[in-house]
Amino acid sequence: AQKITQTQPGMFVQEKEAVTLDCTYDTSDPSYGLFWYKQPSSGEMIFLIYQGSYDQQNATEGRYSLNFQKARKSANLVISASQLGDSAMYFCATRPSNTGKLIFGQGTTLQVKP
Amino acid sequence: DAGITQSPRYKITETGRQVTLMCHQTWSHSYMFWYRQDLGHGLRLIYYSAAADITDKGEVPDGYVVSRSKTENFPLTLESATRSQTSVYFCASTWTATNEKLFFGSGTQLSVL
Repeated sequence: AQKITQTQPGMFVQEKEAVTLDCTYDTSDPSYGLFWYKQPSSGEMIFLIYQGSYDQQNATEGRYSLNFQKARKSANLVISASQLGDSAMYFCATRPSNTGKLIFGQGTTLQVKP
Repeated sequence: DAGITQSPRYKITETGRQVTLMCHQTWSHSYMFWYRQDLGHGLRLIYYSAAADITDKGEVPDGYVVSRSKTENFPLTLESATRSQTSVYFCASTWTATNEKLFFGSGTQLSVL
């Protein structure tokens, strides 16, 4: 069965610095997707970035990039130039092939210090 | 641009009562999902649906019932609420099984007393 592991329950980062949130996944599917979502204190789930298992290049979306290392089964999120508004819970998720459903990790709480 | 809406936003009920959480999307997405979010567990899939009249169990389906008679609606019913079902419930939708984005509703915070 597919599984996502986020080993960092909480993290701090100084404003304007970069931060990496760890995510490892376990799947036997040849085709899968990897996602990151942000959940601020207001509670909504905000899509950040997607990486397909066959994508050759790491996905990037503005200040967000996904460090995809297939052999290690890791999909770390890198946030560059952290901002106070980045303080939130971050969830990594995987989508088994052709199912549509996402399987989430337990999340990492990020706090950005001024 | 209504998107995906959940109602109610907050609900308090008592053990043993039946509760229905509503989810409506205006995009004609084929796939719809119900997740619950609890501290320490992240989001866990309760039920999902690939199309109208097609539903399937997720990771934690016990105590829940779903239906999907229309593409745009995917209600979740707790037939006899228990305290362990106190949680935040999220509905989500997307076009296809391989779509690169899942769209979430704002969530329903349910308390079972």
